[in-house]
Amino acid sequence: ETGVTQTPRHLVMGMTNKKSLKCEQHLGHNAMYWYKQSAKKPLELMFVYNFKEQTENNSVPSRFSPECPNSSHLFLHLHTLQPEDSALYLCASSQTLKGFGNEQFFGPGTRLTVL
Amino acid sequence: AQKVTQAQTEISVVEKEDVTLDCVYETRDTTYYLFWYKQPPSGELVFLIRRNSFDEQNEISGRYSWNFQKSTSSFNFTITASQVVDSAVYFCALTTNRDDKIIFGKGTRLHILP
Repeated sequence: ETGVTQTPRHLVMGMTNKKSLKCEQHLGHNAMYWYKQSAKKPLELMFVYNFKEQTENNSVPSRFSPECPNSSHLFLHLHTLQPEDSALYLCASSQTLKGFGNEQFFGPGTRLTVL
Repeated sequence: AQKVTQAQTEISVVEKEDVTLDCVYETRDTTYYLFWYKQPPSGELVFLIRRNSFDEQNEISGRYSWNFQKSTSSFNFTITASQVVDSAVYFCALTTNRDDKIIFGKGTRLHILP
């Protein structure tokens, strides 16, 4: 595998379900990100991790719970979601958080539908 | 505060025409980085270019070219001899040396008609 991979690519869940999104980067990067992209809305940054430590939580509801066990893996645990949480969830990674090497590389996304 | 404006929400051109996507940015920092990303229908954002504020040289990569002008705070993207495969949403983005996040514009949806 190369680049940034995300699984699953599509997910349908009920409001009472618990599910997890997985992201893995094979680029040797140190920073990882979760974004939400809803229809007709700009990209929304959710969480930032640098060397496994969370550096940014952009006022995300607690029903979204991130986990970063190491610099290569990032999870987004979902529970008791609402229909308005239906969106494309994108994972990204970058070599550094700031300065040279801060360009982000994205995965293909998980299309989430909450019924 | 940082801001990126992509005034063109949607553009349609006929194949083989040239098209320019506009991007205007705002920042008070003197060290900053500008990006362009392409998002095809598959959904993945594809990194196209990164330019730092100290390098105003224009860049050409095949049919793609970028015009960075600090005097007008613009970083425009031109596709020459467009092709149907260029149809996508294109995002301009900005970060500064002090930020640990990238600010994205709202994107321009480009339709290349056969």
